[in-house]
Amino acid sequence: QVQLVESGGGVVQPGRSLRLSCEASGFPFSRHAMYWVRQAPGKWLEWLTAISYDASNQYYADSLKGRFTVSRDNSKNTLYLQMDSLSTEDTAVYYCASLIGRDRSDNYYDVDYWGQGTLVTVSS
Amino acid sequence: QAVVTQEPSLTVSPGGTVTLTCGSSTGPVTSAHYPYWFQQKPGQAPRTLIYGSKNKHSWTPARFSGSLLGGKAALTLSGAQPDDEADYYCMLSYTGAKVFGGGTKLTVL
Repeated sequence: QVQLVESGGGVVQPGRSLRLSCEASGFPFSRHAMYWVRQAPGKWLEWLTAISYDASNQYYADSLKGRFTVSRDNSKNTLYLQMDSLSTEDTAVYYCASLIGRDRSDNYYDVDYWGQGTLVTVSS
Repeated sequence: QAVVTQEPSLTVSPGGTVTLTCGSSTGPVTSAHYPYWFQQKPGQAPRTLIYGSKNKHSWTPARFSGSLLGGKAALTLSGAQPDDEADYYCMLSYTGAKVFGGGTKLTVL
């Protein structure tokens, strides 16, 4: 079955960096666009970034101000999020997700795949 | 970046009907924004109810429907059940980037 498993969360000091990973299984990862979404405690969902199936395109929320970088390794079925210059406002549960894939005829299809989330706490 | 607006909270009676809306600061919401509606319950990841304005996944209960209404995306719940009490988020697409609304806390009471 489809699984997205995030890892790399934890407690980090302000100003430091952290890299999250999201390992995918059960679907053709290399044919799926992937997202990172976060949710601060008790707050709303915030879309952070998307990366196309072949990594040729990346999109970011303006609020990130260039501090986060998304990447993927299709040979490892893994998505990454490099987070730099972390602040307390980055404390949140971080989810990876896929909402769309492409079949072998390059037709798009809609899916709904989410990880369980990984908690990042930025605190001194 | 665009701001997506939703009602902060709504209450519906069991068996009743309620419509949640999703607006965009850039103008009318259209099919080009490919609106999504997600349901999220405490401690769980979000789950898509509606994609592309009105399309449902196989698990989407028939009582939920999506539409474009008056320049906004809309999610209508007809015949509310206690299990529908949750947070609902819309998400709009802006040429690659996505933006979530602030969410609507739906109470079934």
